[in-house]
Amino acid sequence: AQSVTQLGSHVSVSEGALVLLRCNYSSSVPPYLFWYVQYPNQGLQLLLKYTTGATLVKGINGFEAEFKKSETSFHLTKPSAHMSDAAEYFCAVSGPFNKFYFGSGTKLNVKP
Amino acid sequence: EAQVTQNPRYLITVTGKKLTVTCSQNMNHEYMSWYRQDPGLGLRQIYYSMNVEVTDKGDVPEGYKVSRKEKRNFPLILESPSPNQTSLYFCASSLSTSGANVLTFGAGSRLTVL
Repeated sequence: AQSVTQLGSHVSVSEGALVLLRCNYSSSVPPYLFWYVQYPNQGLQLLLKYTTGATLVKGINGFEAEFKKSETSFHLTKPSAHMSDAAEYFCAVSGPFNKFYFGSGTKLNVKP
Repeated sequence: EAQVTQNPRYLITVTGKKLTVTCSQNMNHEYMSWYRQDPGLGLRQIYYSMNVEVTDKGDVPEGYKVSRKEKRNFPLILESPSPNQTSLYFCASSLSTSGANVLTFGAGSRLTVL
């Protein structure tokens, strides 16, 4: 079975500081990995995804994530936080038949 | 505009009163799915459909029904809602079932059962 663990349900950073949101997964097959963002009162939007190829994946709004197979991790980073980055972030893994497993989410707070 | 549309966005109802949450997509996607989102639990899959007339249970199907009579529509039915079904519900779709496809989500339906 596949599962996703997000370390830290709440993360707070200052504007301009590094954002690091942690995601570890378990999967018995090569995974497809995703990060989604949810702004208040909205649905989830794709930030980035890893399927095959380059392990460093760049997404929208300056976010990127690195797939590390040996560590079963897919941490999300952004060099400099902006106020507009305040949202909830979900890591997800998928496999055959589009079965998605979502982490419990990390709420990012950005302080001025 | 390519989108997934859910209705209603907000609903307050009482225990036992049947309700339906509609979901429609305009992208000709084969795959559609319902999730519920609860604090600290992330999103959990209720039901999914790989194509017309093909549906199957997800991780938390108890108390819910679905149907897929047309490709674009995938309604979620609560025959006899109970307070433990108070939640935020999301419909999502994707082009196929390869697993590498991105899910496109609706804006969500917040349901309160009293």
